Order: sequence, then C-alpha cells, then structure tokens
Amino acid sequence: AQTVTQSQPEMSVQEAETVTLSCTYDTSESDYYLFWYKQPPSRQMILVIRQEAYKQQNATENRFSVNFQKAAKSFSLKISDSQLGDAAMYFCAYRYLGNRDDKIIFGKGTRLHILP
Amino acid sequence: GAGVSQSPSNKVTEKGKDVELRCDPISGHTALYWYRQSLGQGLEFLIYFQGNSAPDKSGLPSDRFSAERTGGSVSTLTIQRTQQEDSAVYLCASSFERGGYEQYFGPGTRLTVT
Repeated sequence: AQTVTQSQPEMSVQEAETVTLSCTYDTSESDYYLFWYKQPPSRQMILVIRQEAYKQQNATENRFSVNFQKAAKSFSLKISDSQLGDAAMYFCAYRYLGNRDDKIIFGKGTRLHILP
Repeated sequence: GAGVSQSPSNKVTEKGKDVELRCDPISGHTALYWYRQSLGQGLEFLIYFQGNSAPDKSGLPSDRFSAERTGGSVSTLTIQRTQQEDSAVYLCASSFERGGYEQYFGPGTRLTVT
C-alpha cells in the first residue's frame, strides 16, 4: 500500500530564512505525481508545487522548490526567503492513476511557524 | 470565476442523526473528490467520481457513508446514524479530469457530532 510520511509535525523558521520540509513515500509504482499543498487557518487547501515522477528536473515555483529523489522516495520542499504569509500547515501528497481509480494519499502535515 | 463551494460551512448534529454535505464543483470539472480531515490528522481520501460514477468506494469508512453525484456536477456525501468519531472537516475537490491536473479544493464543512 502507498504511504506518505512527514516526520516533522512542527517547524519554525525566522522570517527571511530558508526552511526545508521533509516527505518520504512508499510505492511500487513508477508513474505518479507528487504535490505539496498549503493549508492556512482558513482551511482552504492551496497547491504549492507539483512534480511528475517521470521528470528528473526538480520543480520550482518562485520561492518554493523541491528536491525529488525518486530512488530514495523522498520529496522535500524548500521555502526560501520565508515570509509571514507562509505560516500554515503543509501537506505532502502522492497521486497515482490506476486503470479506473485516482487515489491521492496525504501525509499528516507539518505545521510551519514563521518567527518575525 | 466561482471556485468549489461546499455547504453548510459548519454543521452540528446529534449522535444518531443523518447529515448531508453538499459540494458544487467548478463548472466543467469532470472529476470530484471527497476527503475527511480529522483533528491533527492529514487528509483521508474517501471517494472519487469521474462524471457520475464512482469506480472505487472502498475509501468510505463504513456503510453509514454514501455519496452520489448527479448531472456530472453537484455531489452529496451522506452520513447516516452519525457517531462522534465522524466529527471532522469534510473537504471536496474537483479537477478538469482525472490525471495530474490540479485539484481545486472547497473550504470544507466542519461537522461536529454531539
């Protein structure tokens, strides 16, 4: 069974500094997608970044980048120049497309605090 | 354009009552997903619709849970004979179609069973 593990329940970072959130997953599939979602107190889930497993190049979106290590099944998120608005829960997610189904599995999340 | 909407925003119900949660996906999105987020937990995948059909219902926690989608649009998640452990935030998401397309999430319904 596929699983997603986020080993850091909470993290803190000083404003303007860089922080890395960890995520590992387990799968026997070779074709899948990985995502990082942000959930602020408003509960609205927002897609931060996504990575297709067949792409070797790490995805980047402005201050957000990932370190995708397929063999190690690791998918960490780096946030550069942290801002107060980055404070939220961050969820790592794995998505696999079977013949008929479309399963998305989320980790338990990492709560990120930004210190002014 | 309108995003995914869910109603009600909050629902308090007594143990044993039935509840219906509604999700209005983005117009034109054929895929629709329901998740449950319990306090301090990640998101638990419940069910996925492609059009009006749900190929896999094994994610539903028990036979008290059911979901339907009509007209390829609105979906309803029904919980019968609610239990206290059903208390959670229920999130709905939609995407253009199944695949790697982005899922757009609604604001969720917070269900409290007393």
